[in-house]
Amino acid sequence: AQKITQTQPGMFVQEKEAVTLDCTYDTSDQSYGLFWYKQPSSGEMIFLIYQGSYDEQNATEGRYSLNFQKARKSANLVISASQLGDSAMYFCAMREDSGYSTLTFGKGTMLLVSP
Amino acid sequence: EPEVTQTPSHQVTQMGQEVILRCVPISNHLYFYWYRQILGQKVEFLVSFYNNEISEKSEIFDDQFSVERPDGSNFTLKIRSTKLEDSAMYFCASLEREGRDEQFFGPGTRLTVL
Repeated sequence: AQKITQTQPGMFVQEKEAVTLDCTYDTSDQSYGLFWYKQPSSGEMIFLIYQGSYDEQNATEGRYSLNFQKARKSANLVISASQLGDSAMYFCAMREDSGYSTLTFGKGTMLLVSP
Repeated sequence: EPEVTQTPSHQVTQMGQEVILRCVPISNHLYFYWYRQILGQKVEFLVSFYNNEISEKSEIFDDQFSVERPDGSNFTLKIRSTKLEDSAMYFCASLEREGRDEQFFGPGTRLTVL
């Protein structure tokens, strides 16, 4: 079974609008962390946001917020006020704390922001 | 701001040749990782390294692969006899300590095996 599922291969959004990228996860660990990374066409991996399994509030970092629904095992990324520079591949990842902090990634969602 | 660096940015090699990919993690970090991303696919974990030894490795990390921290700063991934399917982007990452949030990724080395 996939540990991280991203069901949207591609998403389109207009500049200045908000967009939600979906991520569901599967783990039996009680303690884990969820991450979102952005990968522009240049290829580097840029950390965006982190949510710990015990965090009661949803994480926010500037225009990024993580909609964490623990019972549903979902960790959706919300980007508000999209910008052209947000066009990139977005990966959801999980760290299970029973391991050595290794990350398991989803297949990614390609986001295209149009003017 | 401290960052993870990787060299070279692009490596082209012939099948069967050995390659060494180099990484310089952030200086006070203790945990080091290699990940691989085949073109158009997801990022996959290869190996983690802590306290001068491998702490965890994936099924991908077979006998053709090895890692080393030869001095206090470099962290290397060696592929002994490259295959066509080793063509991928290889990312190094480092983590300050257990329980910290963010693994810092390097810019990657694109390996092309001909």
